Amino acid sequence: QSVLTQPPSVSAAPGQKVTISCSGSSSNIGNNYVSWYQQLPGTAPKLLIYDNNKRPSGIPDRFSGSKSGTSATLGITGLQTGDEADYYCGTWDSSLSGVVFGGGTKLTVL
Amino acid sequence: EVQLVESGGGLVKPGGSLRLSCAASGFTFSSYSMNWVRQAPGKGLEWVSSISSSSSYIYYADSVKGRFTISRDNAKNSLYLQMNSLRAEDTAVYYCARDAPTDFDYWGQGTLVTVSS
Repeated sequence: QSVLTQPPSVSAAPGQKVTISCSGSSSNIGNNYVSWYQQLPGTAPKLLIYDNNKRPSGIPDRFSGSKSGTSATLGITGLQTGDEADYYCGTWDSSLSGVVFGGGTKLTVL
Repeated sequence: EVQLVESGGGLVKPGGSLRLSCAASGFTFSSYSMNWVRQAPGKGLEWVSSISSSSSYIYYADSVKGRFTISRDNAKNSLYLQMNSLRAEDTAVYYCARDAPTDFDYWGQGTLVTVSS
């Protein structure tokens, strides 16, 4: 059971938009920055969004992040088949004194 | 180019020990906190441990506290994870990751640890 809650899977057609939610509490998302990671099949995770809504260099603006209260959302527009991956949210948990991740969301581009 | 290369994984019996290493290059290793994150087969990411740049601050997940020890050698640009009293549930790919500091901006390719008799 993960501290952060994500939907197990989402799907959408190529070109469409999808959102992935990440729900937590005041000890984690509510008072800390959220980051998002993309893990393509058979590869290491890759940073997609940091500080709630910032994109590292090289990440296209099709990817966006937002945070409100104790929840965060990853948005992906103009879906491509290459976006099929597992997506994880992560943040610091002040009560646990450690990093926590969501259980991951598998994105299928139909 | 930032590179993180893990090594030391393998097959170990329950109760056994293993030491993982992570060789860093392409950045000033001594300026960054570092982390170990693991992923059991077919499962999600689980943070294991973190260590500050000067080793002053160290944190562990409850699942490994008392069994795993994180350390670093800034002169050798290396991060380590000493794993003792290994259990079947410790079977996972272990990644080292650089702390950015509010996220993990670079990850290694991972090393597989299998705990089985």
